[in-house]
Amino acid sequence: GAGVSQSPSNKVTEKGKDVELRCDPISGHTALYWYRQSLGQGLEFLIYFQGNSAPDKSGLPSDRFSAERTGGSVSTLTIQRTQQEDSAVYLCASSLFQGGAYEQYFGPGTRLTVT
Amino acid sequence: AQSVTQLGSHVSVSEGALVLLRCNYSSSVPPYLFWYVQYPNQGLQLLLKYTTGATLVKGINGFEAEFKKSETSFHLTKPSAHMSDAAEYFCAVSDDSNYQLIWGAGTKLIIKP
Repeated sequence: GAGVSQSPSNKVTEKGKDVELRCDPISGHTALYWYRQSLGQGLEFLIYFQGNSAPDKSGLPSDRFSAERTGGSVSTLTIQRTQQEDSAVYLCASSLFQGGAYEQYFGPGTRLTVT
Repeated sequence: AQSVTQLGSHVSVSEGALVLLRCNYSSSVPPYLFWYVQYPNQGLQLLLKYTTGATLVKGINGFEAEFKKSETSFHLTKPSAHMSDAAEYFCAVSDDSNYQLIWGAGTKLIIKP
């Protein structure tokens, strides 16, 4: 079946512009995660959605970052007034259920470059 | 709080040699442990996971890992390295109280011909 897809695969934007990153999770997966991976770094948790529950936004680095998930499926991560330090690969993952034992399936990521 | 330590940001082995990537974790409750692999310019892919039962877990591409509770370790091994194993490897931990995965910093595996 289809895996997690993300678009665009690459995005170059000027400092100060807004960007939207899209994630299509695996059909039927109720949990969705966004991570950020900076060059040579591990994964930084950003936000988590589970079904219709309020999202866990505890990882968002500033109020310039927001995300939504429509209809329990597609998610959009928005970064307003981008800064150079926002340059990174943004990874989306989905999981069949909430719970620590369930593996996360990752998309290929969106590489964001802020010039 | 849980944490994961991966010893060595880079590990270099010769083709055909043993691969050993180290992962130590801290957790106050029984953990779930994962190894993921990330090939260049790709997302992460699950290699193997431990939840319960047998402590020696076999994964894809000939990798395996052993959960050692007394050592709080979950090291990843492969008897004979192949050039295609060159990638970055991430260890992660979670438990029943935590839907998040806590990630190690990653180890880049370099295979020398």
